[in-house]
Amino acid sequence: GAGVSQSPSNKVTEKGKDVELRCDPISGHTALYWYRQSLGQGLEFLIYFQGNSAPDKSGLPSDRFSAERTGGSVSTLTIQRTQQEDSAVYLCASSTSRGMNTEAFFGQGTRLTVV
Amino acid sequence: GQNIDQPTEMTATEGAIVQINCTYQTSGFNGLFWYQQHAGEAPTFLSYNVLDGLEEKGRFSSFLSRSKGYSYLLLKELQMKDSASYLCALNTGGFKTIFGAGTRLFVKA
Repeated sequence: GAGVSQSPSNKVTEKGKDVELRCDPISGHTALYWYRQSLGQGLEFLIYFQGNSAPDKSGLPSDRFSAERTGGSVSTLTIQRTQQEDSAVYLCASSTSRGMNTEAFFGQGTRLTVV
Repeated sequence: GQNIDQPTEMTATEGAIVQINCTYQTSGFNGLFWYQQHAGEAPTFLSYNVLDGLEEKGRFSSFLSRSKGYSYLLLKELQMKDSASYLCALNTGGFKTIFGAGTRLFVKA
């Protein structure tokens, strides 16, 4: 597609349930990022994929969070046993690894509400 | 690790000039980004500085001093639509980007 696509745009889930968030990056972009943004806050880095390299998972807040990227394209962020503090907007971004200007293009995000 | 500091909020008047500062500490540095984020929307790219100096792009300019760990975003001829959050972000190497908490700019008439 023309831009980064995320689904669903909104998700309300009960505490304790698992959720899956999907990101479809810009075609050809080898780098993919997941960030979390709480209301009125900055972006919190979660995980970074670059090509076929092992992902940088240093930002994942707990072992309830995991992410994978299949075929170097679509990525899924999974949150198990959701807690109320997981409520936030989850943003996905992709960029090309070519050149020094590695501008990241963001999707519109998934607003997750845990009730 | 990395640390990025920006003022939390700023207020400026329509038509004026405003400078948003960003200081950082990092072990790896490839460049520094500025992104704009309107409330409820995704961040959008404004600028990317790799070398020291000023990069000008229309009403927006961005400055970098690598030796001082310092950058600023300069907005001229402020318009009401410039009310947004401005995020300073580091390219820390391996194309990994770390964002600061952002500065909320309020432009008043």
